[in-house]
Amino acid sequence: NAGVTQTPKFQVLKTGQSMTLQCAQDMNHNSMYWYRQDPGMGLRLIYYSASEGTTDKGEVPNGYNVSRLNKREFSLRLESAAPSQTSVYFCASSEEAGPYGYTFGSGTRLTVV
Amino acid sequence: AQSVTQPDIHITVSEGASLELRCNYSYGATPYLFWYVQSPGQGLQLLLKYFSGDTLVQGIKGFEAEFKRSQSSFNLRKPSVHWSDAAEYFCAGYSGYALNFGKGTSLLVTP
Repeated sequence: NAGVTQTPKFQVLKTGQSMTLQCAQDMNHNSMYWYRQDPGMGLRLIYYSASEGTTDKGEVPNGYNVSRLNKREFSLRLESAAPSQTSVYFCASSEEAGPYGYTFGSGTRLTVV
Repeated sequence: AQSVTQPDIHITVSEGASLELRCNYSYGATPYLFWYVQSPGQGLQLLLKYFSGDTLVQGIKGFEAEFKRSQSSFNLRKPSVHWSDAAEYFCAGYSGYALNFGKGTSLLVTP
């Protein structure tokens, strides 16, 4: 019962470097999401994918890109990392797009120096 | 804008005491509301959800929440808190395409 798996768990980047955060779910869910969590800010939606082949911007998409590689995998890319992107990133999935409960991964803690 | 608000940033309760965490919402029609818990260094776990029907919703780990339309509230309660309940709690509402989360309430449990 892996659920939602995120890699890596920790990462330190230098300003301007790029990286891809990986997310995979094994629950046959159709919808997937990327959130960032910052102290005192709760979780804010970066991008989401309602179904395989579709992606849409959330509340804070600037500086990020996503790829829904297949039904299982949804990756988040930082093309040129900035210190403001230091955060904890969570991937989540749900059975369908709609008011369903989400299953979350354990997060990726990213520091940009 | 559709949103949820958690007025309390931090709450401290004694072990064995009752708990109530507040959540206010601003959604039209019938809101879809959720409570999640996050233990340190972990992802979020769904405690309970409200879609419609009974205003008192039972969840896991002995938690319940009451939906009050007149007060635009969806407060989380537990009759007797255990030390293992110390965590961050998030209220969330469905915005039409994804969940919007409140800023969270950090619960400290004292002996």
